[in-house]
Amino acid sequence: GDSVTQMEGPVTLSEEAFLTINCTYTATGYPSLFWYVQYPGEGLQLLLKATKADDKGSNKGFEATYRKETTSFHLEKGSVQVSDSAVYFCALSDRRNSGAGSYQLTFGKGTKLSVIP
Amino acid sequence: KAGVTQTPRYLIKTRGQQVTLSCSPISGHRSVSWYQQTPGQGLQFLFEYFSETQRNKGNFPGRFSGRQFSNSRSEMNVSTLELGDSALYLCASSPGTVYTGELFFGEGSRLTVL
Repeated sequence: GDSVTQMEGPVTLSEEAFLTINCTYTATGYPSLFWYVQYPGEGLQLLLKATKADDKGSNKGFEATYRKETTSFHLEKGSVQVSDSAVYFCALSDRRNSGAGSYQLTFGKGTKLSVIP
Repeated sequence: KAGVTQTPRYLIKTRGQQVTLSCSPISGHRSVSWYQQTPGQGLQFLFEYFSETQRNKGNFPGRFSGRQFSNSRSEMNVSTLELGDSALYLCASSPGTVYTGELFFGEGSRLTVL
């Protein structure tokens, strides 16, 4: 079945440091890939997405590129801020197994990021 | 636009009891999905409802059930609670008619089973 593996946390960085959170996936179909973020006490919200190979998703300074050859979707940010402290989830949905408008997400375990001033 | 609303936010039950959780999706969204979040297993898909019909189901025992009403509001029920059911239960909505790739999540209902 489909699966997502992301680097174990927690990750602690100083403000303005470079961030990379690794994510690799296994899927037999043609998945779309996502990064969701969960701030303390809140639900998940979509950070960025990519729907086909070589697509780059970006939002709020975060970027991730869909690499089909390495089955990866690593999250990067050039300069993190204290406000980026959250749990980040890599996820995929395989439209091959979904009807129109229907899909389920397969999530990684999440990586907790703490940014210190 | 109001977001996804889940009630109750926190609840404590004892083993053997049952619980019902409620979710109101974003206005106009017809699909509601439920996920269970635990420290050990992470986020796992429970089921998805669209137009009052269960459209997808995850790999959970029959003690976990749900339903959707004509106004798209959804409830999930867990019967004969076990300690391992302690989790954050997240509801998510989407339009449901076209593939957008985005789910809108509520803040969750945190269930503790004693």
